[in-house]
Amino acid sequence: GAVVSQHPSWVICKSGTSVKIECRSLDFQATTMFWYRQFPKQSLMLMATSNEGSKATYEQGVEKDKFLINHASLTLSTLTVTSAHPEDSSFYICSASKLEGAYEQYFGPGTRLTVT
Amino acid sequence: EDQVTQSPEALRLQEGESSSLNCSYTVSGLRGLFWYRQDPGKGPEFLFTLYSAGEEKEKERLKATLTKKESFLHITAPKPEDSATYLCAVQAMGGYNKLIFGAGTRLAVHP
Repeated sequence: GAVVSQHPSWVICKSGTSVKIECRSLDFQATTMFWYRQFPKQSLMLMATSNEGSKATYEQGVEKDKFLINHASLTLSTLTVTSAHPEDSSFYICSASKLEGAYEQYFGPGTRLTVT
Repeated sequence: EDQVTQSPEALRLQEGESSSLNCSYTVSGLRGLFWYRQDPGKGPEFLFTLYSAGEEKEKERLKATLTKKESFLHITAPKPEDSATYLCAVQAMGGYNKLIFGAGTRLAVHP
């Protein structure tokens, strides 16, 4: 199998606070993990790519100081949305590749973030 | 610039009415083309990877095919549970395993 989990599945926070989202590969080791956001009825937008033990690579237009990504182990990556604002409300989805050279990405169930 | 275009944007079928979804792509060296299914409020579920023109893969009522410019997802005798958004993505040679997604096709199958 290739199961990816995310926690929490949904979160509501107040404007100005920070929120951490965890992404875990449950039955495989993931050299690379990806973070996406998705707006209603739109496709996935890649935010950043993280490799275990190294700094994340952010896509153009994504603020790296606002969206902190840590990939501390081969099974865990975290996304922290710092000083969240209502415009950060979205559906955040992570994915993982099994190992280098294997190209499929397996996606987590997503985290719905609402900033009030 | 690498690009993926899916059509139609939305498709309504009667149960048992077969059809095809299209994914046209432009990429500087295709490493792989991927099909995913996404249900509302959930993450995408992996369906198929296609690597070279002429390749075909099947899973239950779904069959994916690939040419040098496009891919088709054929749905044979669909059932209401096949209703979902189907996403196509490509991965280019070189660099890391970045996926470039199309906008998706929203499929609704009615009994």
